[in-house]
Amino acid sequence: DQQVKQNSPSLSVQEGRISILNCDYTNSMFDYFLWYKKYPAEGPTFLISISSIKDKNEDGRFTVFLNKSAKHLSLHIVPSQPGDSAVYFCAASSNTGFQKLVFGTGTRLLVSP
Amino acid sequence: DAMVIQNPRYQVTQFGKPVTLSCSQTLNHNVMYWYQQKSSQAPKLLFHYYDKDFNNEADTPDNFQSRRPNTSFCFLDIRSPGLGDAAMYLCATSRDASALSYEQYFGPGTRLTVT
Repeated sequence: DQQVKQNSPSLSVQEGRISILNCDYTNSMFDYFLWYKKYPAEGPTFLISISSIKDKNEDGRFTVFLNKSAKHLSLHIVPSQPGDSAVYFCAASSNTGFQKLVFGTGTRLLVSP
Repeated sequence: DAMVIQNPRYQVTQFGKPVTLSCSQTLNHNVMYWYQQKSSQAPKLLFHYYDKDFNNEADTPDNFQSRRPNTSFCFLDIRSPGLGDAAMYLCATSRDASALSYEQYFGPGTRLTVT
């Protein structure tokens, strides 16, 4: 049972344009959401997070939006750069005891010059 | 630089032959995790250590064991690898397990092949 879903395995965007990566979740107990970025031959690195008490969090070119009623979050990258080409994982946790991260399957972003 | 190191990066083992994967960290974090990631799938938590306390996920097979002899090192032992255990194994650390400091730092992973 996949509790965190990234339905788009891949996304191609031109440099300078906006990249929008989507993530859906099914567990209403999730209250903290994170995005990780992974380059080939490297481990995932933390990118940005959002608590369920917020609907938006911004860090430079990266913004995460959370729609709790729809159980949906999205990562916006503006403007996209070729160096953003990587696999992006959405992850979620719930504030009950140990906060286990549940990951999505990832979306491969390719930003072309 | 403070980091999470995994050795080896690539490991080939024979069916049924025990194998040990290694993880070390210079971050002095309290929590260490082991994830299994199969091709095109999400990383899946196998177990974690909070200091010396071992916490196994309910669906982690008994074939997988772990040791944490000190703060810096954590090992993943696969007692009798099967073909289905071929995967990328990711080690991660975090300062603790609360939401306020929940960023996990990942190593580069060990890709395990079972022949």
